[in-house]
Amino acid sequence: GNSVTQMEGPVTLSEEAFLTINCTYTATGYPSLFWYVQYPGEGLQLLLKATKADDKGSNKGFEATYRKETTSFHLEKGSVQVSDSAVYFCALRENSNYQLIWGAGTKLIIKP
Amino acid sequence: DAGVTQSPTHLIKTRGQQVTLRCSPKSGHDTVSWYQQALGQGPQFIFQYYEEEERQRGNFPDRFSGHQFPNYSSELNVNALLLGDSALYLCASSARAGRFFSNQPQHFGDGTRLSIL
Repeated sequence: GNSVTQMEGPVTLSEEAFLTINCTYTATGYPSLFWYVQYPGEGLQLLLKATKADDKGSNKGFEATYRKETTSFHLEKGSVQVSDSAVYFCALRENSNYQLIWGAGTKLIIKP
Repeated sequence: DAGVTQSPTHLIKTRGQQVTLRCSPKSGHDTVSWYQQALGQGPQFIFQYYEEEERQRGNFPDRFSGHQFPNYSSELNVNALLLGDSALYLCASSARAGRFFSNQPQHFGDGTRLSIL
């Protein structure tokens, strides 16, 4: 079945460091891929998305490229801030339905 | 423009009781999905409602049921509560665009934190 695997956290970085959070997936078709962010005490917010191979999603300095050959959708940011501290979830959705399949989440801690 | 709203924000119940959670979708959205998020884990899909019918269901027992109203709002009902039902329950809405699935993402509410004693 479909699944999403994320790198385990927590990931702890200093402010202005480069961020990569790995995400790989298995799917039978050609899913859409998403990164959601959950700040402490809040609900899930869509961060970025990509709907087909080689698409690059970007938002708030974060980027992720849909790599079909490696079935990956790694999240990157060139210079993180303390305010980026949150839990990041990678998710996929088959184009034939609405159900989102989620990774376990990666907690990101940015120290000043 | 209000986003997805859920009520209540927190709820405490005891084993064996029943609970109803409520969700109002984002304006313009007609499809509502419910997820259960246990502490430290990713959300798990419970079911999805469209045109007042359950269209898809995840791996949850029949104790979990729902309803969608003509104004697209939705309820999640859980009967015979177990300790393991303690979780954050998330509602998400999106626009289906008729019979066909839209590639628009789901928008989430802040969730209802359910604690079972």
